[in-house]
Amino acid sequence: NAGVTQTPKFQVLKTGQSMTLQCAQDMNHNSMYWYRQDPGMGLRLIYYSASEGTTDKGEVPNGYNVSRLNKREFSLRLESAAPSQTSVYFCASSAQGPTEAFFGQGTRLTVV
Amino acid sequence: GENVEQHPSTLSVQEGDSAVIKCTYSDSASNYFPWYKQELGKRPQLIIDIRSNVGEKKDQRIAVTLNKTAKHFSLHITETQPEDSAVYFCAASKTDSWGKFQFGAGTQVVVTP
Repeated sequence: NAGVTQTPKFQVLKTGQSMTLQCAQDMNHNSMYWYRQDPGMGLRLIYYSASEGTTDKGEVPNGYNVSRLNKREFSLRLESAAPSQTSVYFCASSAQGPTEAFFGQGTRLTVV
Repeated sequence: GENVEQHPSTLSVQEGDSAVIKCTYSDSASNYFPWYKQELGKRPQLIIDIRSNVGEKKDQRIAVTLNKTAKHFSLHITETQPEDSAVYFCAASKTDSWGKFQFGAGTQVVVTP
């Protein structure tokens, strides 16, 4: 049982480049999330998808877009990367309602 | 929106002692409070959670207490061991938020032998 799988694990981008972070879960969860983690700031929600076909902005959505491709997959796109987007990105999923969220292994992104 | 504050930001304890981390939340509608442990370079993983209809929950050396009136909840780790060294995050969520979590800033716990 893989749980939540993110790709890639590491990425270096130049300012202005674009990329898509991929996330897939095999737990049949309705809700999926993208968080970024910066030192001393905990986990901040970028976007979430309450169910297949819906997406909504979280706390820090600027500079990002998302796609809920199907129930399993939720991707995060950086259209024009900026150094301020250097961070560790975590995808997560949960069953509907307030319950445990399962996290992927994270993507360490550096924008130079 | 919800705001979760977590204290302390760092905590150093001797092996065998207890560790306590406290969190306060602002939204009285929050009803689910998980605690996550994140080891260096790893993903956050749930260690214990509590819902608002319960005041305390224990799982071996770990316990969580919730005071709804004061809007704060705490993580208690007894008989700490070196493998308890990690960053711990508290979080809050509520029924109509579709599982969105507001996380605290985290506590770096260091257990020294």
